[in-house]
Amino acid sequence: ETGVTQSPTHLIKTRGQQVTLRCSSQSGHNTVSWYQQALGQGPQFIFQYYREEENGRGNFPPRFSGLQFPNYSSELNVNALELDDSALYLCASSVQGRGETQYFGPGTRLLVL
Amino acid sequence: SQELEQSPQSLIVQEGKNLTINCTSSKTLYGLYWYKQKYGEGLIFLMMLQKGGEEKSHEKITAKLDEKKQQSSLHITASQPSHAGIYLCGADNGGSQGNLIFGKGTKLSVKP
Repeated sequence: ETGVTQSPTHLIKTRGQQVTLRCSSQSGHNTVSWYQQALGQGPQFIFQYYREEENGRGNFPPRFSGLQFPNYSSELNVNALELDDSALYLCASSVQGRGETQYFGPGTRLLVL
Repeated sequence: SQELEQSPQSLIVQEGKNLTINCTSSKTLYGLYWYKQKYGEGLIFLMMLQKGGEEKSHEKITAKLDEKKQQSSLHITASQPSHAGIYLCGADNGGSQGNLIFGKGTKLSVKP
């Protein structure tokens, strides 16, 4: 196990609702990255947090937002949920810097009806 | 933008057989990561390669990065049912934050 935890494990929401996903990073890691993985696809980078600030963002709309807390844990918030937001959401923790390995949590499976 | 293509998309092998999965990048690779994923679960880190010609092994899995740093292969020797899963290659996108770009994965099934 990596020491990265995510909650909840599964979630069902309806279109238009809002959702908050949580991630606790591995001990000693100061960076959290979030990815969305649709069925049959590889993970897509949403954004990364370092020192409580967004440190890079992929091609996702502003209704995807996040937070990082002083203990390096993080939240992913998605507003105005759409059917296409149904996916596995993965967080990965690492030490900041290129070439540093990212260690993934077990993911949160979100279903939007 | 950089893209990673994995082949084959899926693979069914008999237990004990060897197999190879390939990952080809549209651009030079600065860092290539191999992960394994069981269906619907998180990614398990296997290996990371950075230098052209680099080769790393862990138990029965060997990963190589070619000299031109645009292609990597993952080779499993004497496959076991425990090797079944989805294998994903990921590349450092070259940005300052070091986020990863992934291929679509190769689904491996091992028949006992």
